[in-house]
Amino acid sequence: EVQLVASGGGLVQPGGSLRLSCVGSGFTFSSHWMSWVRQAPGKGLEWVANIKPDGTEKYYVDSLKGRFTISRDNAKNSLYLQMNSLRAEDMAVYYCARICDCGGGFFDYWGQGNLVTVSS
Amino acid sequence: DIVMTQSPDSLAVSLGERATINCKSSQSVLKSSNNKNYLAWYQQKPGQPPKLLISWASTRESGVPDRFSGSGSGTDFTLTISSLQAEDVAVYYCQQYYTIPITFGQGTRLEI
Repeated sequence: EVQLVASGGGLVQPGGSLRLSCVGSGFTFSSHWMSWVRQAPGKGLEWVANIKPDGTEKYYVDSLKGRFTISRDNAKNSLYLQMNSLRAEDMAVYYCARICDCGGGFFDYWGQGNLVTVSS
Repeated sequence: DIVMTQSPDSLAVSLGERATINCKSSQSVLKSSNNKNYLAWYQQKPGQPPKLLISWASTRESGVPDRFSGSGSGTDFTLTISSLQAEDVAVYYCQQYYTIPITFGQGTRLEI
């Protein structure tokens, strides 16, 4: 069974940093593009970033470039999102998601989500 | 960026009736090299992550009831639920994966 278990969310002050982690199991983690998608309270879905299976290519939504960094450790079946200079508008549930290994960029499995609260 | 626009924003349908959700992209998501539409549909229930229903505009995922179907090509797509069940109450999103940035529609809230 494919599972994505995220951790690392919580309360952070504006301007602070936080690192989210996501551990994948039940599939060959090193074969899949992986992604972070976020959802602000009561709002829709926003794609944040993608990373290639070997970690050599990364793509971000323009509005977050320079503040957020996606990375992975295939030896640990782990995906990360380093978030710096956090703002109130970054408050959201952050989902890690697996991208299908089928030539398409849709998300076939999602983690449960990690709430990030940005507040003083 | 490709803008995805769903209609309506919310929809109330009686049990057993048909529900139709539309999704329009600001540019075509049909790739001519393989004749595939890079369009997916998700269902999100309260407190849960989204669940993939349909990929490639019309390919139903394994385990998804056959009352769910997707259609359309190019810029105009439709998600149809042929006979609404109580468990179908959710927010539905379309998503294009034709190009980066990946973008979602704003969501359609489906109620009984």
